[in-house]
Amino acid sequence: DAGITQSPRHKVTETGTPVTLRCHQTENHRYMYWYRQDPGHGLRLIHYSYGVKDTDKGEVSDGYSVSRSKTEDFLLTLESATSSQTSVYFCAISSTSGGYNEQFFGPGTRLTVL
Amino acid sequence: QKEVEQDPGPLSVPEGAIVSLNCTYSNSAFQYFMWYRQYSRKGPELLMYTYSSGNKEDGRFTAQVDKSSKYISLFIRDSQPSDSATYLCAMTVQGAQKLVFGQGTRLTINP
Repeated sequence: DAGITQSPRHKVTETGTPVTLRCHQTENHRYMYWYRQDPGHGLRLIHYSYGVKDTDKGEVSDGYSVSRSKTEDFLLTLESATSSQTSVYFCAISSTSGGYNEQFFGPGTRLTVL
Repeated sequence: QKEVEQDPGPLSVPEGAIVSLNCTYSNSAFQYFMWYRQYSRKGPELLMYTYSSGNKEDGRFTAQVDKSSKYISLFIRDSQPSDSATYLCAMTVQGAQKLVFGQGTRLTINP
């Protein structure tokens, strides 16, 4: 398995609280991604990073922010969690862009917002 | 309309059957096509990758791309219970940093 860990693996929180999810890689890959997965929607990109301090929005970025201060860590923050953000969150990494862009996925974080 | 459409199923077939999974897409610029397999409560993993049109075979799995119809397929021969998973198609254009995923098809192979 690619060296990707996500923490926490499970979290239950209340509406209005801030939440931070962490993705950590040991592969020294340049690109890192945050997705959410919901029934009927597949994987939807939230934010991605193409280098330290370089990030960009995906298709469902509203309500989320990210930071990448080191190559190995990519943080996803929900500033004020809402019930619509209940989902499974996956981090992915890639060493290339375009072409054969194989993305390796972490084990996921299951987030419940009550 | 979504850029990539995939029937979410669920699809249930007996062991040994040939399985056909499909995706359609609207962006004619897509050149790279992938199939990911995702077991329950796990992250997706790359199963097959195809560039442009044509077929690619890997053991019991065959990936087909028909760019003229904007249609891709994954065939599984002699299906096994261990093939039970969700299969997601994904595609991208040259130079892009992002993949576009289908919704995923949940497949169950019954012994």
